[in-house]
Amino acid sequence: DTGVSQNPRHKITKRGQNVTFRCDPISEHNRLYWYRQTLGQGPEFLTYFQNEAQLEKSRLLSDRFSAERPKGSFSTLEIQRTEQGDSAMYLCASSHGQGDYEQYFGPGTRLTVT
Amino acid sequence: AQTVTQSQPEMSVQEAETVTLSCTYDTSENNYYLFWYKQPPSRQMILVIRQEAYKQQNATENRFSVNFQKAAKSFSLKISDSQLGDTAMYFCAFNVPYGNKLVFGAGTILRVKS
Repeated sequence: DTGVSQNPRHKITKRGQNVTFRCDPISEHNRLYWYRQTLGQGPEFLTYFQNEAQLEKSRLLSDRFSAERPKGSFSTLEIQRTEQGDSAMYLCASSHGQGDYEQYFGPGTRLTVT
Repeated sequence: AQTVTQSQPEMSVQEAETVTLSCTYDTSENNYYLFWYKQPPSRQMILVIRQEAYKQQNATENRFSVNFQKAAKSFSLKISDSQLGDTAMYFCAFNVPYGNKLVFGAGTILRVKS
């Protein structure tokens, strides 16, 4: 069990560029979550996968955002035409189950849009 | 919709002393789960303690304990014998049994002073 990993850890991009982040969950976890955390705030839910199926998306996930988990293992989060308001920490988490099951978090990818 | 409120943006405590972090929440659900997560500086978020709403007994994990008041919708975290390594951002979070996302408060920065 190596924990949840995320790459890259930091990304600086210019407004209008596309960026893609990767999350590798704990191997036996079938549930994977993406959250966004802005400075001074708690994480906010973006989307959730059970295996390869994306089952829930937040209203925060605009049309410029897309997430995939093609084989039910790693996941990618892509942001197209980045805006300065997209600057945040993007956190990935995984779990065995829902409800009271612990969500294990990765270190996050910090995105800065200039 | 569920909401979680942490009214203390920052707290400080002397090493070896006890500190209590506050959290209130709002929900119409009768059964749910509450969590405290710790996010150390530049490190990933980890679960500190969890509480099931149907349990009257307050959860305890070593130096960490909670005071769960269901009627008041209050869920405070007490840290006894504070250590320098407890310095972190602490988030209170909520989930329902069928839930797929954690709802977080804004967090409390705790600084333990030597």
